[in-house]
Amino acid sequence: EAQVTQNPRYLITVTGKKLTVTCSQNMNHEYMSWYRQDPGLGLRQIYYSMNVEVTDKGDVPEGYKVSRKEKRNFPLILESPSPNQTSLYFCASSPGWSQGGLEQYFGPGTRLTVT
Amino acid sequence: AQSVTQLDSHVSVSEGTPVLLRCNYSSSYSPSLFWYVQHPNKGLQLLLKYTSAATLVKGINGFEAEFKKSETSFHLTKPSAHMSDAAEYFCVVETGRRALTFGSGTRLQVQP
Repeated sequence: EAQVTQNPRYLITVTGKKLTVTCSQNMNHEYMSWYRQDPGLGLRQIYYSMNVEVTDKGDVPEGYKVSRKEKRNFPLILESPSPNQTSLYFCASSPGWSQGGLEQYFGPGTRLTVT
Repeated sequence: AQSVTQLDSHVSVSEGTPVLLRCNYSSSYSPSLFWYVQHPNKGLQLLLKYTSAATLVKGINGFEAEFKKSETSFHLTKPSAHMSDAAEYFCVVETGRRALTFGSGTRLQVQP
């Protein structure tokens, strides 16, 4: 089944404790992206990647890191989480222009709470 | 810069009546536009997309949207609401760097 998977789905952690949220897609998509969703703000893009080893900042990149060593994986790293990073996080992938599509396919979300 | 404004944060309709969710966009060129739906505690699902072909776009579950360049609008409609349509809907514009900018969302409530 074609899908985007995220782990963990739920995470409660403390300020300053490094964490990684994994994202994997099995559709051979070039483009991957991370968003955070906060009430009344819709989804805001954190980072995106157009292909392996190519990443760029989105609208709200502060406090986050990403890497794209393989096409299928795009982990989100919080080196020193803070309470203002408490949010619902979504990973998405897309075929990208060169593969004929721009619509994005979303993972199920990761609810992160930082105390 | 591209942006999108959803004109209503909440819309309430009765089952069987039409649905209209309004979206205006701002873009320096003719963008790609999308509507996504998010059911409670679920991820986002693509409803439909406009990519400069036909201006009236049909999506899943009976939804459609019309691209009106003169009004910079991309409103989502459905002739007859169903209880299962209750969800949050996001209008989305492609920003030109192959990324998407989301509107703030419209929560659709369907009354029996």
